[in-house]
Amino acid sequence: QVQLQESGPGLVKPSETLSLTCTVSGGSFRGYYWTWIRQPPGKGLEWIGHMYYSGQTSYNPSLNSRVAISIDTSQNQFSLKLRSLTAADTAVYFCARGGSHLNWFDPWGQGTLVSVSS
Amino acid sequence: QSALTQPASVSGSPGQSINISCTGTSSDVGTYSLVSWYQQHPGKAPKLMMFEGSKRPSGVSDRFSGSKSGNTASLTISGLQAEDEADYYCCSYAGSHTYVFGTGTKVTVL
Repeated sequence: QVQLQESGPGLVKPSETLSLTCTVSGGSFRGYYWTWIRQPPGKGLEWIGHMYYSGQTSYNPSLNSRVAISIDTSQNQFSLKLRSLTAADTAVYFCARGGSHLNWFDPWGQGTLVSVSS
Repeated sequence: QSALTQPASVSGSPGQSINISCTGTSSDVGTYSLVSWYQQHPGKAPKLMMFEGSKRPSGVSDRFSGSKSGNTASLTISGLQAEDEADYYCCSYAGSHTYVFGTGTKVTVL
């Protein structure tokens, strides 16, 4: 079955750019929305954005100016870049596969904690 | 986009039924039949429990059911079991290829 695994730094300095990668195994990129979601410690989930397998992107309006998602199908990976970090960006970042009818997120990666601190 | 409103906590005894509400607006829950529900145990990734309001993914117990009325979606857990103790989040498509999650509900099995 499809499995997703996030990777990236656990600590990033304020004002810098976060780069995370999600490696997909056991399935095809075709027909799905490849999605990033985050969860600040002790808080709820926030949808960050997605990229359709063919390249179209959509982002949370509250993050739109700072975020970029890309796909590298040759490496079975998709990536997140988030610029101009502040402490408020400290969170567990999850990658997930989104349904082709915009109707679900499944499966999810295990999540990776990113702390923003000097 | 504001988060969908869920009760902070819901509790019930084993065997009972509980209901978790998820209230949005006419811009999300009220317009689209694209509400999904996720179960999250502590320190774990969320798990899809319901999609398109009332459809259960393969492998999810039929003790879980979903519905929607107006701007409010609901998840019902029947025959509550200890393993159901977790946080639950709703999520709605909000148009223009964006989504909004609920505030989350902690379910406690007494």
